[in-house]
Amino acid sequence: DGGITQSPKYLFRKEGQNVTLSCEQNLNHDAMYWYRQDPGQGLRLIYYSQIVNDFQKGDIAEGYSVSREKKESFPLTVTSAQKNPTAFYLCASSTEGAFRLTDTQYFGPGTRLTVL
Amino acid sequence: GQQVMQIPQYQHVQEGEDFTTYCNSSTTLSNIQWYKQRPGGHPVFLIQLVKSGEVKKQKRLTFQFGEAKKNSSLHITATQTTDVGTYFCAGPFSGGSNYKLTFGKGTLLTVNP
Repeated sequence: DGGITQSPKYLFRKEGQNVTLSCEQNLNHDAMYWYRQDPGQGLRLIYYSQIVNDFQKGDIAEGYSVSREKKESFPLTVTSAQKNPTAFYLCASSTEGAFRLTDTQYFGPGTRLTVL
Repeated sequence: GQQVMQIPQYQHVQEGEDFTTYCNSSTTLSNIQWYKQRPGGHPVFLIQLVKSGEVKKQKRLTFQFGEAKKNSSLHITATQTTDVGTYFCAGPFSGGSNYKLTFGKGTLLTVNP
């Protein structure tokens, strides 16, 4: 059964701690993305990756880091430099490759991060 | 900057009433996509419109792409409680060597049974 998994669903951390959110897909998609969603807001792009060992900053990359060592995995680290990390984080993948004209995206279930 | 605007931000209807959300782009789009996010869930792709003036239907949902390819609408006929959620439109905007899919802020639909 193909899909995107994110774990955990809820995550609590103390202020000043780094935290890594996992994202795994078995859809054989080349492109993967991380978005942040705040209440009443749309989806804002944090980072994206077109292929293994390559990734690009999105619109709000400050305070975040990623790696893409395997095609299936694209973990996101929320660092202590992120000033307002509490949010809903969504991972996505796509078939067309990063942001081709007809690219459509498949989203994971998300991780809700709360920094105390 | 390049953006997609959606109105209204919120819409509350009685079950059985119709619902429409509108999406407007600052520039002409090659295509427009619509996603639905149920409360507590994640966005799910609904449809993509490519042609000027295109109209597509999915059961009670009707999607339209404007003639100038700068606006789009989603109309739901006779809403049901299962229609509750946030509806997002998204369009590709040029970002150098590739395109960035930019999402609107969405329209939250609530349905009173």
